[in-house]
Order: sequence, then structure tokens, then C-alpha cells
Amino acid sequence: EAGVTQSPTHLIKTRGQQATLRCSPISGHTSVYWYQQALGLGLQFLLWYDEGEERNRGNFPPRFSGRQFPNYSSELNVNALELEDSALYLCASSPRVDQPQHFGDGTRLSIL
Amino acid sequence: AQSVTQLGSHVSVSEGALVLLRCNYSSSVPPYLFWYVQYPNQGLQLLLKYTSAATLVKGINGFEAEFKKSETSFHLTKPSAHMSDAAEYFCAVRPISGSARQLTFGSGTQLTVLP
Repeated sequence: EAGVTQSPTHLIKTRGQQATLRCSPISGHTSVYWYQQALGLGLQFLLWYDEGEERNRGNFPPRFSGRQFPNYSSELNVNALELEDSALYLCASSPRVDQPQHFGDGTRLSIL
Repeated sequence: AQSVTQLGSHVSVSEGALVLLRCNYSSSVPPYLFWYVQYPNQGLQLLLKYTSAATLVKGINGFEAEFKKSETSFHLTKPSAHMSDAAEYFCAVRPISGSARQLTFGSGTQLTVLP
């Protein structure tokens, strides 16, 4: 069974640009979660999608947004990039909301 | 709001020694509890989970954890450390019910295994 896949592995942007990160959940998983792992800030919850709908979002500004497609894959979009957005962005999926989350290897976003 | 405290950001043990990583949670009702491991340049791998069944939970790679409601703890143990156990370990909680089903993580414990 293929795990959660994220692309790209690395992404380098400059301040003010926009970034798009992609996530394909494990087959059969309908819930997708996004987390940010920034140096010194730990793992913080960004967004949760289930059945195509945004169910909850963390304490991040509106320039962090995303969506879930009919095949349950997901995109995370970050607009007007700032230096502090440099982090590892992790996507996780679960078959139902009450099941454990399984993580991908992340996208390393670097802002120059 | 739920929170997780991991005591000790760095723990060093000798190969073959007991591993004990501490996790305490704060929640009005007992939540679901998880331990994840992160190896360098990788995502998180689920070690074990507590979902209100048996209080002693066995996970992968010889790890286990015991849920103690009276102490609001969920410490991770392994009887004998192996060099391959060197990694960062995260304790996480999630509500059993309600609209917030995301994980709340502790700050992590970096485990070093000495030869």
C-alpha cells in the first residue's frame, strides 16, 4: 500500500511569491491534515479537510489556504510568502476522523 | 484546550539501556494519545496509540506506553535501546469527540543512543 505522498520534496521561493504544495493521501483515506514544522516552533496544525470540505483551521493567517479535490488529494497554498514561512510542511491522512493519522515525508519550503 | 508536555528535550541512553520518554497531557476529559517518531529528513511514523481500550499499549519496534489517568501521563518505554532508535519522538493528543480532530503535539524529545 502506497503511503502519503507529497510534492515537491523541496521548494525554494522568495519573499512575496506564492507556493503550492501537494498531497496524495493513502488510498481509501478521506481526511487530509496539514501541519507546519518550523524551527523552534514545533508542529502546528494548519488545516483539516474531510470529504472535500474544510473542517477546521489552525491559528494561521488567511494567506494560508487550501482545498481538497474529489479524489481526496489536497493542495496547500501560501500567498505573499514571508521569511518565517520557511518550514517543513507535513501532510497526513486518515480513513475516518477517528482513525490515526499517517504522515508523508513533507515538503521543505525555503524562503530567500 | 488540550496540551501536551514532554519533559526533556534531549535524552541520552546507552545501547541496551532502558528508554523512558515522558509525556503529560492536559485535558478536561481523557483524549486519544499517540506517540510518533521522526527520523532525519522524514515525516512522522506512528509508534502506538491509546484509544480508551487497554491502558498498556504495545507499539512497533518494541516500544510500549502506559496510560495513567490519575497522573495524566502517557510515558513511552523500551526495555533495551538500539542504535536505530536514535530519532525525535513526539507525543500527541486528539479529542475523542467534537469538531477539532487535529493532533496537538508536544515539543518533542531527541533521543540519542550511545554505543
